[in-house]
Amino acid sequence: AQSVTQLGSHVSVSEGALVLLRCNYSSSVPPYLFWYVQYPNQGLQLLLKYTTGATLVKGINGFEAEFKKSETSFHLTKPSAHMSDAAEYFCAVSETQGGSEKLVFGKGTKLTVNP
Amino acid sequence: GAGVSQSPSNKVTEKGKDVELRCDPISGHTALYWYRQSLGQGLEFLIYFQGNSAPDKSGLPSDRFSAERTGGSVSTLTIQRTQQEDSAVYLCASSTSIKRHTEAFFGQGTRLTVV
Repeated sequence: AQSVTQLGSHVSVSEGALVLLRCNYSSSVPPYLFWYVQYPNQGLQLLLKYTTGATLVKGINGFEAEFKKSETSFHLTKPSAHMSDAAEYFCAVSETQGGSEKLVFGKGTKLTVNP
Repeated sequence: GAGVSQSPSNKVTEKGKDVELRCDPISGHTALYWYRQSLGQGLEFLIYFQGNSAPDKSGLPSDRFSAERTGGSVSTLTIQRTQQEDSAVYLCASSTSIKRHTEAFFGQGTRLTVV
């Protein structure tokens, strides 16, 4: 079974600083990888995804992530943090079982942006 | 509707009571998923539906949990004889196809508190 590890349950950055949220996965097959964001009292919103092709994936709100097979990583970055980026971020891998797919999530990283 | 709708948004119930949580998916979405989000535990997969059928019930934590979907639309998650450990946010998601989980859209969740 696939699994996802997010290093750091809480990350704090200053406004304008680099955002780096770490995600490592385990998968016995080529993975489909996702980052979701959850704002307070909201559902999850897809930020970006990797399926095949280009390993650097760009998403919404200036976020991007790079799939590195050799490191089994899919870290999320943003060059300059904005106050509105404060939220919880979840990395997920798509698990295929019995012809269907479901998402296996990491435990999440809460991002705080300081003025 | 415009998005996935869940009701109620908040539910407080006494230990031992039964509760029903409702999910209205996006119109036309054939796949529907239930996840549970507990503090510090990330998102736990519970069950998914393809149409009205639930081929994968492996995630339901106990036989107190059940779910159904009617008319390929509304789904109800029922928890019988609730326990305090059932307290969590229950999230519903829908997508156009079980094979394309990348397009899953999440509702805002039902926060269940068992006292």
